[in-house]
Amino acid sequence: QVQLVQSGSELRKPGASVKVSCKTSGYTFTQYGMNWVRQAPGQGLEWMGWINTNTGNPTYAQGFTGRFVFSLDTSVSTAYLQISSLKAEDTAVYYCARPTLVRGVIIDVFDIWGQGTMVAVSS
Amino acid sequence: EIVLTQSPATLSLSPGERATLSCRASQSVSFSFLAWYQQKPGQAPRLLIYGTSSRATGIPDRFSGSGSGTDFTLTISRLEPEDFAVYYCQQYGSSPRTFGQGTKVEIK
Repeated sequence: QVQLVQSGSELRKPGASVKVSCKTSGYTFTQYGMNWVRQAPGQGLEWMGWINTNTGNPTYAQGFTGRFVFSLDTSVSTAYLQISSLKAEDTAVYYCARPTLVRGVIIDVFDIWGQGTMVAVSS
Repeated sequence: EIVLTQSPATLSLSPGERATLSCRASQSVSFSFLAWYQQKPGQAPRLLIYGTSSRATGIPDRFSGSGSGTDFTLTISRLEPEDFAVYYCQQYGSSPRTFGQGTKVEIK
C-alpha cells in the first residue's frame, strides 16, 4: 500500500540545522509532487510548499524562504526537508503529504500523509 | 493569499447530534476547490471532502460538504463517538494553498 514514512523526532539547539526525511513506497515517486505542512504545538496546519519530483523544482510559501530547503533522492524515493539556523519558533511537527489522483487528474488535496516528525528547538 | 476563517472555534455537541462547521474565504475559491480534513490528537490529518462536496475514499456518508464562492460548510449529520476531533478546511484553487485555523468538535 501507499506509505510515507518520516524520520524520527529531533532535538536541536538554536542556530543548528535539521534534515527530515520522507520515504515513500507503494507508488511511482515521480508521478506525484511532495508537499510539506507544519503544525506548531497546539496550532493549526500551515502549508510550507511543495517540490516537483520530476524536475526537483521547489516552491516555497511565504515565510518559508531562505532557511527551508526541499530536496529529493529519487534513487530511494525519498523527499527531504532541511531547516537551517533553527529558531525556537521552528518547534513543530512537520508532515510530508502527497496529492490525490481524482479521475486521472492530480489535485492538491492530501490523502496520504507521513506520520509527522517532531522538531524541537531549545537551548 | 486566500485567508480561510473557520467558525465556531469550538463546537460542543452530544453524540447523535448534527454538527455544522463553517469555512469563509477572504476571496472566492476558484472552481470551489475546497477540502476538509479531520485530525485527532497525535495523528496526521485525514482527508474527508474535496471539491467542496465529494467524499474521499472510505468516508461515511454522514459527512457532507456544500458551498460556493466564499462560504463553505461541512455537515456531520449524526455525530458518532469517533467524530470528536479538529476539522480543517483547505483551499487549493490558488497558490499558496491555505488552511483554516480549525474547528474543534468536542463532547458536550
